[in-house]
Amino acid sequence: GAGVSQTPSNKVTEKGKYVELRCDPISGHTALYWYRQSLGQGPEFLIYFQGTGAADDSGLPNDRFFAVRPEGSVSTLKIQRTERGDSAVYLCASSLTLVSTDTQYFGPGTRLTVL
Amino acid sequence: QKEVEQNSGPLSVPEGAIASLNCTYSDRGSQSFFWYRQYSGKSPELIMFIYSNGDKEDGRFTAQLNKASQYVSLLIRDSQPSDSATYLCAGRQLAGSARQLTFGSGTQLTVLP
Repeated sequence: GAGVSQTPSNKVTEKGKYVELRCDPISGHTALYWYRQSLGQGPEFLIYFQGTGAADDSGLPNDRFFAVRPEGSVSTLKIQRTERGDSAVYLCASSLTLVSTDTQYFGPGTRLTVL
Repeated sequence: QKEVEQNSGPLSVPEGAIASLNCTYSDRGSQSFFWYRQYSGKSPELIMFIYSNGDKEDGRFTAQLNKASQYVSLLIRDSQPSDSATYLCAGRQLAGSARQLTFGSGTQLTVLP
């Protein structure tokens, strides 16, 4: 079956612009996670969803970041008024459930560059 | 202080040797641990997870967990050049609302032919 997919694979934008990053999880996976990875660092948690609701958004750095998952499948991470410090690889992961030993499968990521 | 600490390396081992990767954690609420491998420019892929004290073996890989010492390790036996990658250790809570993975910074491993 298909894995987690993310689009676009690369996004270059200018400071102050708005961007949307899309994640399509593995079919049937109820949990969806967003992480951000800077060069030389491990992924850093942003937000996760159980179904349609954001179960924990404590990792979002500020109110410029917002994510939705309206139908419990595809999710969109939205960043307003982008800043150069937002440049990173944004990773999406999904797992079948929230059971702690469930594997989180990662997508290929979206590399965001803010000029 | 980061909740999950890894020696960033780089770690170099000759082909066929045992590579030992270590991780410590500070959050006693983190009870399950995952080792991911990440090739340059690629996304993390799961190698194995462990949540019970002791050893867990899967092929050439052995994960070890010591909850009293808050220490997790990954041993790679008969290392191959294809094992050259960054290895990420991550902790996860068994209960409560925090179900995300908390990652260390990763250890870069190079296996020399």
